[in-house]
Amino acid sequence: AQTVTQSQPEMSVQEAETVTLSCTYDTSESDYYLFWYKQPPSRQMILVIRQEAYKQQNATENRFSVNFQKAAKSFSLKISDSQLGDAAMYFCAYLNRDDKIIFGKGTRLHILP
Amino acid sequence: DTGVSQDPRHKITKRGQNVTFRCDPISEHNRLYWYRQTLGQGPEFLTYFQNEAQLEKSRLLSDRFSAERPKGSFSTLEIQRTEQGDSAMYLCASSPGTYSNQPQHFGDGTRLSIL
Repeated sequence: AQTVTQSQPEMSVQEAETVTLSCTYDTSESDYYLFWYKQPPSRQMILVIRQEAYKQQNATENRFSVNFQKAAKSFSLKISDSQLGDAAMYFCAYLNRDDKIIFGKGTRLHILP
Repeated sequence: DTGVSQDPRHKITKRGQNVTFRCDPISEHNRLYWYRQTLGQGPEFLTYFQNEAQLEKSRLLSDRFSAERPKGSFSTLEIQRTEQGDSAMYLCASSPGTYSNQPQHFGDGTRLSIL
């Protein structure tokens, strides 16, 4: 069974600064998808960024980028130029071959003005 | 694309009562998923449907829980004889098809509180 570990329950970053959220996972599959989801307080979970395991190039979406290290089974999220609207719970997620998402416990990100 | 819709947003009920939640997926999405999220945790998979067929149920889904997706459109999740431990956010998600990088789109969730 796959597992996803987020070792940082909470993090804080100054507005306009850069922050990196950590995620590691465990799997025996060679082909899979990884995601970062954002869940603002009392609001819908939305997809931030996705990565296909067979792609070596790290995914980038505007201010969000990942550092995907397949051998190390590491998938960190970097947020550049942090904005107040980035404050949320961030979940690292693994999509397995049975089409189920396994989520980490989340990292609560605070943005300091 | 109106998004995934869940109803109600909040449900407060007494222990022992039955509750039913509804999820309307994005139209033409074949897959529909139910997750449960407790405080401080990530969502946990409960069950999912391919059209009207329920393909898998998690061990988390006791016999007090039942889910249906008649006609492959909306889905309902019923909890019978609710217990304190059922208090959680119940999330519904839908996706276009099988195992792809097309992400699951989530609804706002139904927050269940058991008194």
